[in-house]
Amino acid sequence: QKEVEQDPGPLSVPEGAIVSLNCTYSNSAFQYFMWYRQYSRKGPELLMYTYSSGNKEDGRFTAQVDKSSKYISLFIRDSQPSDSATYLCAMSAANNNDMRFGAGTRLTVKP
Amino acid sequence: GAGVSQSPSNKVTEKGKDVELRCDPISGHTALYWYRQSLGQGLEFLIYFQGNSAPDKSGLPSDRFSAERTGGSVSTLTIQRTQQEDSAVYLCASSRVGAKETQYFGPGTRLLVL
Repeated sequence: QKEVEQDPGPLSVPEGAIVSLNCTYSNSAFQYFMWYRQYSRKGPELLMYTYSSGNKEDGRFTAQVDKSSKYISLFIRDSQPSDSATYLCAMSAANNNDMRFGAGTRLTVKP
Repeated sequence: GAGVSQSPSNKVTEKGKDVELRCDPISGHTALYWYRQSLGQGLEFLIYFQGNSAPDKSGLPSDRFSAERTGGSVSTLTIQRTQQEDSAVYLCASSRVGAKETQYFGPGTRLLVL
């Protein structure tokens, strides 16, 4: 079992839909949880990060962390064609330098 | 300001040759990371530099891989005697000290070993 599991998709939704992206993990030491967006042939771009459990909202994006279930989510409201990209979850323990990434979910938002 | 830059953007080499990949981090960022992204895979941590401290090399897959960071800025990742399984995108990221949750990535170097 991988340390971080992420459904690779692909996921296709119509413009305006609410998108839900998820990751599960096995390492209870993870404290930092990040979501990155990666366009084709580009480097990942940090969207949001949260520390420990809870929710965080930034515009159309909401990140949720449920440490009891070892489950994190990213919600995108009013999705736009420009949101079409691969979304990577990442997480890290407090005393580690490395981050563990999910394989990424490819999202397509159709006009 | 300028972001993280990497060069070359693409590299094609023959099996057995050595390659050098370069990363120029964001000015003022003392932490620098190298990752590898294989097709359909998540990013794999390779090595971490923080200031003048000894690097964390725990992610390097074999002794054919090495990296250095001169003057606390530019970093070079070297792969010796390349193998076909080394083909991947090599990504560099930088962050402020103690801010690993906010890493900024470069565009990557796409390496193809024939």
